[in-house]
Amino acid sequence: EAGVAQSPRYKIIEKRQSVAFWCNPISGHATLYWYQQILGQGPKLLIQFQNNGVVDDSQLPKDRFSAERLKGVDSTLKIQPAKLEDSAVYLCASSLTSGSTYNEQFFGPGTRLTVL
Amino acid sequence: AQSVAQPEDQVNVAEGNPLTVKCTYSVSGNPYPFWYVQYPNRGLQFLLKYITGDNLVKGSYGFEAEFNKSQTSFHLKKPSALVSDSALYFCAVRVSGGSYIPTFGRGTSLIVHP
Repeated sequence: EAGVAQSPRYKIIEKRQSVAFWCNPISGHATLYWYQQILGQGPKLLIQFQNNGVVDDSQLPKDRFSAERLKGVDSTLKIQPAKLEDSAVYLCASSLTSGSTYNEQFFGPGTRLTVL
Repeated sequence: AQSVAQPEDQVNVAEGNPLTVKCTYSVSGNPYPFWYVQYPNRGLQFLLKYITGDNLVKGSYGFEAEFNKSQTSFHLKKPSALVSDSALYFCAVRVSGGSYIPTFGRGTSLIVHP
C-alpha cells in the first residue's frame, strides 16, 4: 500500500515570502492532519480534516496559515507571509477516520522548511 | 489541558540489554496511548497502542508497552535492544469523547551502542 506522500521535501525561503506544501494521504483515509514539528519538540497539530471539512483548526495561526482539502483527498498548507519562527518540519498524516480514538495515524516524510 | 511527558531527552543502552523509554500523561477522560518511532529524515511510524484488555501491549519490532492507569504511564520496553532501534520515540495520547486529537510528548532519543 502506498504511504502518505508529501512535497517538496525541503524548502528554503526568506521571511515575508509565501510557501505551499502538498500532501496526498493513503487511499481511503477520510481524515487528514497537518502538524508542525519544531526541532526538539513533539508534533503540534495545526489542522485536522474529515473528508473536505475542518474538524479542528484551533492551533492554526490563521493570520498567516491556511489549508484546504477541496475534494476530500489531497491537501495543501500555505504560509503567507512566512516568519523566522515558522522554520520547522511540516508533517502530514492520515487515518481511516477521526471518529475513533483507536485509529493510528500514518505519517508522510515531512517537509523541512527553513525561513531565512 | 492535556499533557504528555517524556522525562528523558536521551536514553543510552548497550546492544542486547533491555531498554525502557518512559511516558506519563495527564488527561481528562479515558486515555488511549500510542507510541511512534521516527528515523532520520523519515516520518513517524506507528509502533503500538493500548485500547483495552491486557495492560501489556505487544507491537512492532519486538517492542511492548505497559499501560498503568493508576500511575498514568505507558512506558515502552524491549527485552533486548538492537543498534537498529536507535531512533526518536514519541508517546502520544488520545482521549475518548473529544475531537480525538492526539497530544504528543517531546520525544526521547534512543541510542543503542554496539
